[in-house]
Amino acid sequence: AQSVTQLDSHVSVSEGTPVLLRCNYSSSYSPSLFWYVQHPNKGLQLLLKYTSAATLVKGINGFEAEFKKSETSFHLTKPSAHMSDAAEYFCVSSGYSTLTFGKGTMLLVSP
Amino acid sequence: SQTIHQWPATLVQPVGSPLSLECTVEGTSNPNLYWYRQAAGRGLQLLFYSVGIGQISSEVPQNLSASRPQDRQFILSSKKLLLSDSGFYLCAWSRDQGRGYGYTFGSGTRLTVV
Repeated sequence: AQSVTQLDSHVSVSEGTPVLLRCNYSSSYSPSLFWYVQHPNKGLQLLLKYTSAATLVKGINGFEAEFKKSETSFHLTKPSAHMSDAAEYFCVSSGYSTLTFGKGTMLLVSP
Repeated sequence: SQTIHQWPATLVQPVGSPLSLECTVEGTSNPNLYWYRQAAGRGLQLLFYSVGIGQISSEVPQNLSASRPQDRQFILSSKKLLLSDSGFYLCAWSRDQGRGYGYTFGSGTRLTVV
């Protein structure tokens, strides 16, 4: 069985400061992992994905994530937050036939 | 390139009325198709998925149903809506059950049952 835990329901940062959104996964095999972003009343957009190649994955809009098997983590980071980054972020793990979603982290960016 | 269309964008329906939400994919063949529901503070809940025409797997028992009459068309239906059916519904497609490529989502339908 798979599970994904997003450790923070809300994260608040100031514009220009670093972003860290935490995600831990549980899987009986080496998973594929994804981060999605959702702006209000919009669909989900794929930010980046890990599929057992390089452990440091770069995505769109300056985001990146590092797969750490020893810690079962896949945290999302960005060096400098922008106001347009304010949205909800979902960590996702692949399953046999579907994906398992975390409950989401709302990123709030203040000026 | 592949695109996914979902409509309508918003819908307000009375309790007990029927529902039909449609999703179509262009630019690919034999996609895996999914319906998710997103309720406030509860993340995404998989409702149905389909790996081919006429093949529907249900993840959650409810008064909703899904159909796939054509390869790239996925329809979510209900005969009688309940208040608890309100939420944000997302259609998605994938090539390989999501393992390598992830999912591509539609823009969603905001359903309010009154």
